[in-house]
Amino acid sequence: QVNLLQSGAALVKPGASVKLSCKASGYTFTDYYIHWVKQSHGKSLEWIGYINPNSGYTNYNEKFKSKATLTVDKSTNTAYMELSRLTSEDSATYYCTRRSEFGVEDYWGQGVMVTVSS
Amino acid sequence: IQLTQSPSLLSASVGDRVTLSCKGSQNINNYLAWYQQKLGEAPKLLIYNTNSLQTGIPSRFSGSGSGTDYTLTISSLQPEDVATYFCYQYNNGFTFGSGTKLEIK
Repeated sequence: QVNLLQSGAALVKPGASVKLSCKASGYTFTDYYIHWVKQSHGKSLEWIGYINPNSGYTNYNEKFKSKATLTVDKSTNTAYMELSRLTSEDSATYYCTRRSEFGVEDYWGQGVMVTVSS
Repeated sequence: IQLTQSPSLLSASVGDRVTLSCKGSQNINNYLAWYQQKLGEAPKLLIYNTNSLQTGIPSRFSGSGSGTDYTLTISSLQPEDVATYFCYQYNNGFTFGSGTKLEIK
């Protein structure tokens, strides 16, 4: 069965960076795009960007272009998102998702909470 | 494309027919999905392409709409349907609505 397993919660200092991981299993990793989504506490969802695991091509929401960097490691079926120059506004839960053949996100990781605090 | 969901909070009784609305700022061309998010969980896909039911989702959930106006209907509300529901467009970029919180009266 399809599973996206995300790394554990992170507590990071303002100005620092954090790299989140998303390990895929149960399907051919390179056949489906991976998307990342932000959910600030108790609020709605924001699309951050996606990566094509086969080619490494990325597409970002303009709002996150200077904040997030998406990469993959095909040898371990893992997608990564690095968030840089963290501020309190980056404190949120971040999800990785798989984009289905119908063009919609069908499977989601369990989410990882990032807390930015000194 | 911006998505406006209404109402933001809905309280209904078990067995009720419930309708949630999602309106786009532009034509979405039926590239509209609905997600259910229970407290502390990741969103779950219910409906995609306006009216296609995701595998494993109960048939009491259905979607409809066209152009800029879309609807999620629960034909007979069950206690386990308590959640926040988000609409999502993937026609032009990717945008989520602000959500409708559904409670049992």
